[in-house]
Amino acid sequence: DAKTTQPPSMDCAEGRAANLPCNHSTISGNEYVYWYRQIHSQGPQYIIHGLKNNETNEMASLIITEDRKSSTLILPHATLRDTAVYYCIVRASGSSNTGKLIFGQGTTLQVKP
Amino acid sequence: DAGVIQSPRHEVTEMGQEVTLRCKPISGHDYLFWYRQTMMRGLELLIYFNNNVPIDDSGMPEDRFSAKMPNASFSTLKIQPSEPRDSAVYFCASSYRVFGQFFGPGTRLTVL
Repeated sequence: DAKTTQPPSMDCAEGRAANLPCNHSTISGNEYVYWYRQIHSQGPQYIIHGLKNNETNEMASLIITEDRKSSTLILPHATLRDTAVYYCIVRASGSSNTGKLIFGQGTTLQVKP
Repeated sequence: DAGVIQSPRHEVTEMGQEVTLRCKPISGHDYLFWYRQTMMRGLELLIYFNNNVPIDDSGMPEDRFSAKMPNASFSTLKIQPSEPRDSAVYFCASSYRVFGQFFGPGTRLTVL
């Protein structure tokens, strides 16, 4: 699976949009981009995933660049409860999908009042 | 839906004792994963099952660790004998096919 690079930490003001970047320059054509987050003392939580089109759900939006070498997770109106470690993971699909997720160090997002 | 259920939530044991962690995946999910999280090593995949069959156990640290999935609704992770370096939070996760994994609350294991 492709390696991802994320900033170790970010701050965001409560009520503002949080934009979390992820670089995955070696991503292959059949690899999806997944985002998870882990709030302190809880298990990781699935947020969203995408292949090449932008995706949106009730939690967040995922913007993937046209060359697919980077992506941005957007929390449109961050709240204090969004303070967590956010993980960007790329994983193969189809027959080459082993089901494995490789978690890196992630980005610690601190939402401040 | 109750989500992924793990028990116990906390376990304190002495070195050399056997430890058994339990997991009940979400009904209908066909994949089950065991992870371990420590400050030093982060979140590591230990083993995962598909339709109750172990697929990849390359993350299992050593022979002291074993995992079973006797049916679609139950899995165990056993450590025998336990050592202080096994102290960690152990997470179980399940998924339908290979889409988003849903994690349980974890078991915090302390080996004295």
